[in-house]
Amino acid sequence: DTGVSQNPRHKITKRGQNVTFRCDPISEHNRLYWYRQTLGQGPEFLTYFQNEAQLEKSRLLSDRFSAERPKGSFSTLEIQRTEQGDSAMYLCASSSDNSGNTIYFGEGSWLTVV
Amino acid sequence: AQRVTQPEKLLSVFKGAPVELKCNYSYSGSPELFWYVQYSRQRLQLLLRHISRESIKGFTADLNKGETSFHLKKPFAQEEDSAMYYCALRGYSGYSTLTFGKGTMLLVSP
Repeated sequence: DTGVSQNPRHKITKRGQNVTFRCDPISEHNRLYWYRQTLGQGPEFLTYFQNEAQLEKSRLLSDRFSAERPKGSFSTLEIQRTEQGDSAMYLCASSSDNSGNTIYFGEGSWLTVV
Repeated sequence: AQRVTQPEKLLSVFKGAPVELKCNYSYSGSPELFWYVQYSRQRLQLLLRHISRESIKGFTADLNKGETSFHLKKPFAQEEDSAMYYCALRGYSGYSTLTFGKGTMLLVSP
C-alpha cells in the first residue's frame, strides 16, 4: 500500500472554472478527511467522512465546495466557480479505528487560480 | 473552541545544540496532542503523540495540562531534523479531526 494518494498533484485554472480533486485513502481506512493549507498556515479542516457519510463540515467549506465519498472508498472535492482565494494546497487524509485512529496524509493537490 | 499556538515561525540552531519547539493549546477538556513533521518535498507525517509517551528520532514531548503545553524537545539536534513541525490537537467534541498550529520551521546548521 502506497499510502494516501491524491490527484492531480498540481492544477492551474482560470477564475470562474470548476475543479475536482480525487483522493484514494489507505485501503480499509473508513475515515477520510479534507484539509486546506495556505502559505504560512497549518492545515485547516474542511470536511470529514466516516465510510460514505459526510459527518462534519467546517464553516470554511462554502457552498461552492462539495465533497463526496459515494462508495466509502475514494473521495472527490469539487470547487465550483473558483476564486483567487481558493489557491491553496488541498490535503486528503485517512484513518481507521484499527490503527489507533492515526491520521495519515496524502501529498496534497496544489491549486492555483489565475 | 480549540486552538493551537506555535509562537515561533522559525527556529535556527547549530548541530548538536538542544532544541525546543513550543506548542500551547486551548481546549476545555482532555485533548489528545500530536506532533507532525514535514520534511522537504515529503508529505506530512506523524512524529509522535502524547498518549504513546515514546521517543521518536530522539524527540520527546510531554503534555503539561497545567500550562496547557506540549513542547517538543531534542537534546542534540541533527541536520536531518531540519523540517517544518506542526503541533496538533484532537478534541472529543467532534469526530476525531485535528486542529493544527501554524507550524515552526526548524533549521539545523552544520
